[in-house]
Amino acid sequence: DAKTTQPPSMDCAEGRAANLPCNHSTISGNEYVYWYRQIHSQGPQYIIHGLKNNETNEMASLIITEDRKSSTLILPHATLRDTAVYYCIVRDTNDYKLSFGAGTTVTVRA
Amino acid sequence: DAGVIQSPRHEVTEMGQEVTLRCKPISGHNSLFWYRQTMMRGLELLIYFNNNVPIDDSGMPEDRFSAKMPNASFSTLKIQPSEPRDSAVYFCASIFSPSLNGYTFGSGTRLTVV
Repeated sequence: DAKTTQPPSMDCAEGRAANLPCNHSTISGNEYVYWYRQIHSQGPQYIIHGLKNNETNEMASLIITEDRKSSTLILPHATLRDTAVYYCIVRDTNDYKLSFGAGTTVTVRA
Repeated sequence: DAGVIQSPRHEVTEMGQEVTLRCKPISGHNSLFWYRQTMMRGLELLIYFNNNVPIDDSGMPEDRFSAKMPNASFSTLKIQPSEPRDSAVYFCASIFSPSLNGYTFGSGTRLTVV
């Protein structure tokens, strides 16, 4: 019952920016957008989260549209180590649950 | 910080045997989650503890599964008796609640039931 829609896969060239889209058209005012990634054979790793303002940290930038119905995760300079499954998740501030969908399999190519 | 520590990393057992998976959350975190990942169903939340108390176990597949958290630094997930369909990777995650920060996941236990 994931509340987000992501493309199943995308390729990216090493050194270029990777822009990962996510649709969450039914998002409510209490819900944050979270991004995680899972590198093969590892546990999911938290990347970034936001409510309505754009956010940036050492890993990525998160751009949320003004109507909050979609967002984009930006990996500014993709490396081969960024190859992973990326999950966009909507989480209510009063709800502890993280519901993972299928995510986007991102392959960074040399 | 060593992160969330899970053991064992791999477990192979015969059908009908008891299996116990272990998790040590990050020190200071008061919420702990057990997830299961399979190719067919992806990542599923099994159970959630807050301050060592099970809050929601609605994701536990059946009575063969049980989880405990006897103290703030240790949790177990037990399957008795195990079945081949229990084969999966089991992840533990922790967070300080009610923080909005991201969860920290362990490296997982890959369980194979033959």
